[in-house]
Amino acid sequence: SAVISQKPSRDICQRGTSLTIQCQVDSQVTMMFWYRQQPGQSLTLIATANQGSEATYESGFVIDKFPISRPNLTFSTLTVSNMSPEDSSIYLCSVEGNTEAFFGQGTRLTVV
Amino acid sequence: KQEVTQIPAALSVPEGENLVLNCSFTDSAIYNLQWFRQDPGKGLTSLLLIQSSQREQTSGRLNASLDKSSGRSTLYIAASQPGDSATYLCAVIDRGSTLGRLYFGRGTQLTVWP
Repeated sequence: SAVISQKPSRDICQRGTSLTIQCQVDSQVTMMFWYRQQPGQSLTLIATANQGSEATYESGFVIDKFPISRPNLTFSTLTVSNMSPEDSSIYLCSVEGNTEAFFGQGTRLTVV
Repeated sequence: KQEVTQIPAALSVPEGENLVLNCSFTDSAIYNLQWFRQDPGKGLTSLLLIQSSQREQTSGRLNASLDKSSGRSTLYIAASQPGDSATYLCAVIDRGSTLGRLYFGRGTQLTVWP
């Protein structure tokens, strides 16, 4: 199994600002995944982060809005840039371990 | 593209009832299926994982079945308790995707009242 520490757990931010979310895993993993869960919706994949290469973004998500870093095999960050109220969501990081997916506790972001 | 549907969207039952939550997926070429629990405003807790070669998995009062050919899974909760109140999410990894990349349903919001 994998234990994922994600922070901050929640934040309230002003529109136009940026927030960086951190995800730390207790073991080395190849892929890390970032998801968004808008209010009342299910989880949507934002991007896949592979150490040593550019993240791969899903349709509808762009690097300028959601830059991702993956400096090593246990850590990743997701930045939500130039925030608007529509970015208010729960953001979650995930890793795969022996066929099963594990999630962090999520970051609840409110943009005012 | 894989699409996952969960029925019902919401369920409210008295304590003690046995429950069935349904999940369907459009592409049967899956690697595995995973059921999660999500408490309000929180992250996901993995409940059960069923690999594509398996038919069911059990953990305590929970039993999940998988019928890959028909694209269906069910989560059975026996003797429900108020502490079971949460949103239950079904997710699949299909064989055409990066391992670890999940496709989620919208979830079933369960309320168990005393």
